[in-house]
Amino acid sequence: EDQVTQSPEALRLQEGESSSLNCSYTVSGLRGLFWYRQDPGKGPEFLFTLYSAGEEKEKERLKATLTKKESFLHITAPKPEDSATYLCAVQTYTGGSYIPTFGRGTSLIVHP
Amino acid sequence: KAGVTQTPRYLIKTRGQQVTLSCSPISGHRSVSWYQQTPGQGLQFLFEYFSETQRNKGNFPGRFSGRQFSNSRSEMNVSTLELGDSALYLCASTLTGGGTDTQYFGPGTRLTVL
Repeated sequence: EDQVTQSPEALRLQEGESSSLNCSYTVSGLRGLFWYRQDPGKGPEFLFTLYSAGEEKEKERLKATLTKKESFLHITAPKPEDSATYLCAVQTYTGGSYIPTFGRGTSLIVHP
Repeated sequence: KAGVTQTPRYLIKTRGQQVTLSCSPISGHRSVSWYQQTPGQGLQFLFEYFSETQRNKGNFPGRFSGRQFSNSRSEMNVSTLELGDSALYLCASTLTGGGTDTQYFGPGTRLTVL
């Protein structure tokens, strides 16, 4: 069974204090790993897709990396507006389409 | 380009009733997926429709059903509501490319079952 584990469950940072979120996975046949940001009461917002080990992608203060067993979302000099829940999902090919399995998320709070 | 829209945004129902939720995908996207999100279970896949056909189904009871219309709009139905069905129901519109699919989520429908 495909499994996705995110850590930590919750993270509190001071503005400007860089850190990393982890997403470890056990799947057969990874087709892609996705990172999303979700604000309270809203749907997840797509951030990145990573396809192969060694791949990196950046967007503003966020940088996502991928190894064969895990992905990291690095947040550099975060601001209060980066506060959100960050979800990762792994996608596998099942029944003719790509089905994602989501982790439980990391709730990030950035204090000013 | 308009995003994924879901209606209604909020619903309150009582046990035993049924409910229908609606989702309009991004123009040009032919695949629509539905998810249930709860604090206890996180985001769980319900089903996916592509060109009016259910292509995949998650591990949910038969009370949960859906359909897709020729214009790609989709509806999800839950019959005989239970208290545990209270959740945020999310619809995702899928853009296919590069060997995998990128999903764009709507704002969700918050269902409360009393």
